[in-house]
Amino acid sequence: EAGVVQSPRYKIIEKKQPVAFWCNPISGHNTLYWYLQNLGQGPELLIRYENEEAVDDSQLPKDRFSAERLKGVDSTLKIQPAELGDSAVYLCASSLLGGAQETQYFGPGTRLLVL
Amino acid sequence: AQSVTQLGSHVSVSEGALVLLRCNYSSSVPPYLFWYVQYPNQGLQLLLKYTSAATLVKGINGFEAEFKKSETSFHLTKPSAHMSDAAEYFCAVLRVTGFQKLVFGTGTRLLVSP
Repeated sequence: EAGVVQSPRYKIIEKKQPVAFWCNPISGHNTLYWYLQNLGQGPELLIRYENEEAVDDSQLPKDRFSAERLKGVDSTLKIQPAELGDSAVYLCASSLLGGAQETQYFGPGTRLLVL
Repeated sequence: AQSVTQLGSHVSVSEGALVLLRCNYSSSVPPYLFWYVQYPNQGLQLLLKYTSAATLVKGINGFEAEFKKSETSFHLTKPSAHMSDAAEYFCAVLRVTGFQKLVFGTGTRLLVSP
């Protein structure tokens, strides 16, 4: 079974430029998560989707960040414009139904460097 | 609100020695607790989880953790460290107030020397 796929794995951009990250969850997983992981920190949830509906986007900085999950499968996270402080690892995870006890399966992440 | 504290950003052990990674939680309700491992340049992988069943939880790769309510702890242990155990370990608690989500600790990097 294929795991969570993310691309690109690495991205270097200049500040004020836009950037997008793509995530393909495990087949059949209804719930998808985007996390932000700063250096030396644990992941922090940005947004959670159940199918195509964003059910928790309270931690997503909506002035510059946006996300979508068309058809309830793949998802894209966008930053426009990027700032120096956005340099971090962006992790995508998925789970079957999104219940409280369910295991989340993480992708390898996209490492973003903003210059 | 639920939270976890991981004591020690780095832990060094020799191969074959006992591994002990500490995690203390704060929760006003019975918590769901998790340990995840992150190998370099990889995503997080679930090691084990506590969901109010047995207090001693066995996970993958020989790891286990014991839930101690009196100490508000959920420490991760492994009797004998292997070189392949070198990684970052994260303790997490499920926040159940408001939107449910995992709240992670700051992580502990385990270093294993020959």
